Amino acid sequence: RKEVEQDPGPFNVPEGATVAFNCTYSNSASQSFFWYRQDCRKEPKLLMSVYSSGNEDGRFTAQLNRASQYISLLIRDSKLSDSATYLCVVNIGEYGNKLVFGAGTILRVKS
Amino acid sequence: DVKVTQSSRYLVKRTGEKVFLECVQDMDHENMFWYRQDPGLGLRLIYFSYDVKMKEKGDIPEGYSVSREKKERFSLILESASTNQTSMYLCASSFGAPGTRDTEAFFGQGTRLTVV
Repeated sequence: RKEVEQDPGPFNVPEGATVAFNCTYSNSASQSFFWYRQDCRKEPKLLMSVYSSGNEDGRFTAQLNRASQYISLLIRDSKLSDSATYLCVVNIGEYGNKLVFGAGTILRVKS
Repeated sequence: DVKVTQSSRYLVKRTGEKVFLECVQDMDHENMFWYRQDPGLGLRLIYFSYDVKMKEKGDIPEGYSVSREKKERFSLILESASTNQTSMYLCASSFGAPGTRDTEAFFGQGTRLTVV
């Protein structure tokens, strides 16, 4: 079983739509959680951290459910510029920060 | 701005060659990582290092080794390159001791390695 699993996608949505991505992780000792964004032919960049209480950054909302080992990302009012690959990331490091990435979910927002 | 620099954007090497991929970061980060990214498989961790001379295997260390003699530099070594090591290689660094919550990883622009 993979350590981090994501919806395979691609998600094709119209502008203005709300879209949700899910991610599950297998290591119950995981310490911290993130969503990264990767544009085509670019390196990944941090989108947001994910906290147990849930957190919001503008149109983006991230949720963590430790009991179910489940992370989600909700994007409201999708923009064309949101088109990218979204990577779920889990820190399972014991002595350092071992960041494990999911395979990513492709989002395509269309006009 | 944090800068993570990989020595080459594109490399073509022959099967059996020894290949060095270099990565340098300028923010005094403790943690450094090497990933490879392949279509449909995402980023897979090869090795990471949480301090000078300290290293830990990731999920796919076979065929690779690493060196971290200085804090700012993390090298990935392919002892004898093979065609199945053709991939995009990404280096990253992050600040933070174990358990630090907001350990943002900053990536280099990647090295596309082709082994022929």
